This record gives sequence, C-alpha cells and structure tokens, in this order.
Amino acid sequence: GAVVSQHPSRVICKSGTSVKIECRSLDFQATTMFWYRQFPKQSLMLMATSNEGSKATYEQGVEKDKFLINHASLTLSTLTVTSAHPEDSSFYICSARQTSGEDYEQYFGPGTRLTVT
Amino acid sequence: AQSVTQPDIHITVSEGASLELRCNYSYGATPYLFWYVQSPGQGLQLLLKYFSGDTLVQGIKGFEAEFKRSQSSFNLRKPSVHWSDAAEYFCAPMTTDSWGKLQFGAGTQVVVTP
Repeated sequence: GAVVSQHPSRVICKSGTSVKIECRSLDFQATTMFWYRQFPKQSLMLMATSNEGSKATYEQGVEKDKFLINHASLTLSTLTVTSAHPEDSSFYICSARQTSGEDYEQYFGPGTRLTVT
Repeated sequence: AQSVTQPDIHITVSEGASLELRCNYSYGATPYLFWYVQSPGQGLQLLLKYFSGDTLVQGIKGFEAEFKRSQSSFNLRKPSVHWSDAAEYFCAPMTTDSWGKLQFGAGTQVVVTP
C-alpha cells in the first residue's frame, strides 16, 4: 500500500517551453503533497507544500510563477515548470501524506528527471 | 534556525561489517525524526522513524536508530552490512508545527566493498 507514482519519469524539453509533471497517490487519499528538487549528488530541497483545494505554499527562494503547482484532487498534484531554462534541469520528487492517520509519514514518488536543452 | 547535520558525506564499509551513520539536529523542540534511503534509480524509502517513547527504534532491512535527546542525535546503525545496502542515506527531522515538512540532511553515501 501507500504507493505514489510520477509521470513522466524522464522528460527532455527545449528552453522556453513548459513541462508538466504529475504526482499521484495510487491507493490512498493525500490531503497534502510536497514537491522537492534534487541536484546531482545533493540532498532534497523542499520547493512547495500543496494542500488539496487550496493554493500551494512555496519555500523561500522558489519562484511561484515558474513552478506552478495544482492539487486539484486528493490523489493528484501537478508541477508545471513554465518557460523552462537549462538551470531548471534537475530531479523533481513528489511525496504525499495520507489524509487519515497521525503518523505524518510521507510516501515518495520515484522522481522525474527533467533536462532542458 | 533549524538545522540538520550529517557529518559524514561518504562512508566505505566492508560487507559484513557494522555501519553507523550520524545525524545531529538543532531544533527548538524535539522534532519527529526519520531516516530514508535512496538507491540508484529508485525512490526514497523510509527505514525508520521516531516520534516518542522507546529511544531505540527498529526499522526495515535490519536497521535501527537511537535517539539521544542530550546529544540532539539520531544515529542509524546496522550490525552487518550487505552489498545491497550501498545507497544514499538521509536523516530528516520534521517539526510537528510545520505541516509535516521534512528537512533533509546532506546525505551520507555508503559504499560497500567485498
């Protein structure tokens, strides 16, 4: 149980275009989803927290107009990288926390490798 | 400011030997504490977590961690390492008042030699 999927697993896009990454909780409902960014051989950096039906909360230094997050349902959150540039190339990881329960555990997706050429 | 430190960037250990990964945190109150493992090409997997109670926590894959309040530490251990334990390990505190946000340490890369 508690599986989170991400799609696509890898994407290559041209500079200036936008790309959407989907994060789905497959077998549970997630009130809260998180988006992280991980550079090669570095740690995960939290980008934003999204709660179903409300606006995402972005961490300091993260451009909300560049990284659009939508959490339209209890099983789906999307991250859209708008007008992507090579410096946006990174590994993007989402996680989801169950609606019920108080263990605060986050379940992580396998990640999406974005390459901007 | 809240912070988490994993002092060892890289550890090399022989198969069958014991392993200890260090984690120290600096938070106003004791946070919830997690250890995750990230294997190449795979997502993060939770090894174990500490909320309260018994300070020695057992996790999956034979790992355990000990919470020491006086040292603000939550070190991860395994008595006998297997080659499959080669991976990146992250300590991640989480405060109860921050919507469950995790703050990941820099990570420790574990290499297992034959």
